[in-house]
Amino acid sequence: DVKVTQSSRYLVKRTGEKVFLECVQDMDHENMFWYRQDPGLGLRLIYFSYDVKMKEKGDIPEGYSVSREKKERFSLILESASTNQTSMYLCATVADPGPYNSPLHFGNGTRLTVT
Amino acid sequence: AQKVTQAQTEISVVEKEDVTLDCVYETRDTTYYLFWYKQPPSGELVFLIRRNSFDEQNEISGRYSWNFQKSTSSFNFTITASQVVDSAVYFCALSELFSWGKLQFGAGTQVVVTP
Repeated sequence: DVKVTQSSRYLVKRTGEKVFLECVQDMDHENMFWYRQDPGLGLRLIYFSYDVKMKEKGDIPEGYSVSREKKERFSLILESASTNQTSMYLCATVADPGPYNSPLHFGNGTRLTVT
Repeated sequence: AQKVTQAQTEISVVEKEDVTLDCVYETRDTTYYLFWYKQPPSGELVFLIRRNSFDEQNEISGRYSWNFQKSTSSFNFTITASQVVDSAVYFCALSELFSWGKLQFGAGTQVVVTP
């Protein structure tokens, strides 16, 4: 069974702080993703990575960056946290699926509050 | 651009009632994939079903069934004889062929099942 672990379930940070959200997967999957979830908006893709050292912007990358130094770990970085980044952040992974678009496996999420 | 609309924000039912969740999508692609995910109160999104655009057969899995109609761009989800454990947020999502985890999610529908 795929396990995607997000290091923190709840985080409270102050405006302007640099924030790191960590995600680790144990299935040797190449592809990892960061989504944020907001009421009424569903999930939106922030960044993704198809390989170590590789990163691609998703639909809402502004204010975020990512790091993928090792295959199993994908970090989301808020360079200078702002209150509009208060949200639920979800990490996900998917195996290389060929043409069949395998489903995402999600972590439990990190609920970040920026005050 | 792709878009997924889940017009129902919340549906409340009494246990054993049937509940249908609507999902309407927009895409210019001829090949695409549709998904349903469940998010229980614990927060982790759980994959329920994937359907590709060439397969319009309806599917049943236990008390769950899905009705895919390409002509109306809809992929509706029915829970038969609902149970309290079905209380969750349900998301419909759409992806392009070879998109490998880049999903366009709907806003989600909260289902509340009371005893």
